[in-house]
Amino acid sequence: KNEVEQSPQNLTAQEGEFITINCSYSVGISALHWLQQHPGGGIVSLFMLSSGKKKHGRLIATINIQEKHSSLHITASHPRDSAVYICAVTSNTGKLIFGQGTTLQVKP
Amino acid sequence: DTGVSQDPRHKITKRGQNVTFRCDPISEHNRLYWYRQTLGQGPEFLTYFQNEAQLEKSRLLSDRFSAERPKGSFSTLEIQRTEQGDSAMYLCASSLSDLLGTQYFGPGTRLLVL
Repeated sequence: KNEVEQSPQNLTAQEGEFITINCSYSVGISALHWLQQHPGGGIVSLFMLSSGKKKHGRLIATINIQEKHSSLHITASHPRDSAVYICAVTSNTGKLIFGQGTTLQVKP
Repeated sequence: DTGVSQDPRHKITKRGQNVTFRCDPISEHNRLYWYRQTLGQGPEFLTYFQNEAQLEKSRLLSDRFSAERPKGSFSTLEIQRTEQGDSAMYLCASSLSDLLGTQYFGPGTRLLVL
């Protein structure tokens, strides 16, 4: 079993829909990250969380430390949100442990 | 451009050849990480440096792989006697030395071993 598990692996939505991607982890962490990867490989950090909730524009990330679970929400989804969303946790040495990614396609 | 840069962006090589990739981190960042990502998977940790010291290496890093960061600035990752299974995207990231420092990723080097 992977130390970081994401669901779903693939997600197709219609423009305007509310989207949720889930992440569960089984190791001790100092922080959890949500990353976005577009075709071609570039990875951008969206959020870093150690507790509670963060919001940036239409994106919301939450974390429940006790349950070892985090969610990424996208409100009013748009085709430009189409990308791979990756959950990663910071280990006690600073390296990132990644989930397998969720491929999101938002159709117009 | 003051972001993380990687060179080359793409590399095609024949099995058995050696390849070397370079990563230039953000200039004030002490930490430099190498990750590998195969198609359809999330990245996997390979190794990281704090300044010039290589502090951790993954079991994934066989003895054909070696990484250096000689002056604590740029880093190189060399793969000797490449195998088809080495085909992947090799990602570099850098951060400040704070454990919770955000990692900034380079564009990656895509390796194809024929």
